[in-house]
Amino acid sequence: QKEVEQNSGPLSVPEGAIASLNCTYSDRGSQSFFWYRQYSGKSPELIMFIYSNGDKEDGRFTAQLNKASQYVSLLIRDSQPSDSATYLCAFTGGGNKLTFGTGTQLKVEL
Amino acid sequence: DGGITQSPKYLFRKEGQNVTLSCEQNLNHDAMYWYRQDPGQGLRLIYYSQIVNDFQKGDIAEGYSVSREKKESFPLTVTSAQKNPTAFYLCASSITTGTGFNQPQHFGDGTRLSIL
Repeated sequence: QKEVEQNSGPLSVPEGAIASLNCTYSDRGSQSFFWYRQYSGKSPELIMFIYSNGDKEDGRFTAQLNKASQYVSLLIRDSQPSDSATYLCAFTGGGNKLTFGTGTQLKVEL
Repeated sequence: DGGITQSPKYLFRKEGQNVTLSCEQNLNHDAMYWYRQDPGQGLRLIYYSQIVNDFQKGDIAEGYSVSREKKESFPLTVTSAQKNPTAFYLCASSITTGTGFNQPQHFGDGTRLSIL
């Protein structure tokens, strides 16, 4: 079993819709969870981080964490063409080492 | 402005040559990291350092070396022993905390390394 599982996509959503990106992880000791956005040819940029079970909202973005189900998701409301990118989830189980998923490609269509 | 600077942006390596990638940060972060990204894949950790004069191997350290003589700098050398060096190399840094929760890592713009 891979440490982090993400559907590679592409996930296509119409402009203005809600995009839902999902990630499952195998390490039950994981405590810190991160979502990064990566445009083609560019470096990852931090979107959200979450430590506790439940939802965390920041503007159009909501991160959801369910540690019992080992599941973290990212919701993007009112999706825009500029949101088209690859979204990487990552987690740490201890220390400062991040484990990354391979990313989900999101396409927001006009 | 505070940030992480990687140079050069593009680098070409000849057979048998060692090359060094630069990473400098002015964020006053204690921890620094080097990742490698291959097309269609996630980031894989090469080396990391949580304090000056100390560093640890990541998941794919073979064929690479690092140093951490200054808090601001964490250069990566790709040695001739790394037989498949073509990739996108990313440097990151973060605050370290004494709690079980980790602060986010922030990335530089990356260096693309290719073999001539």
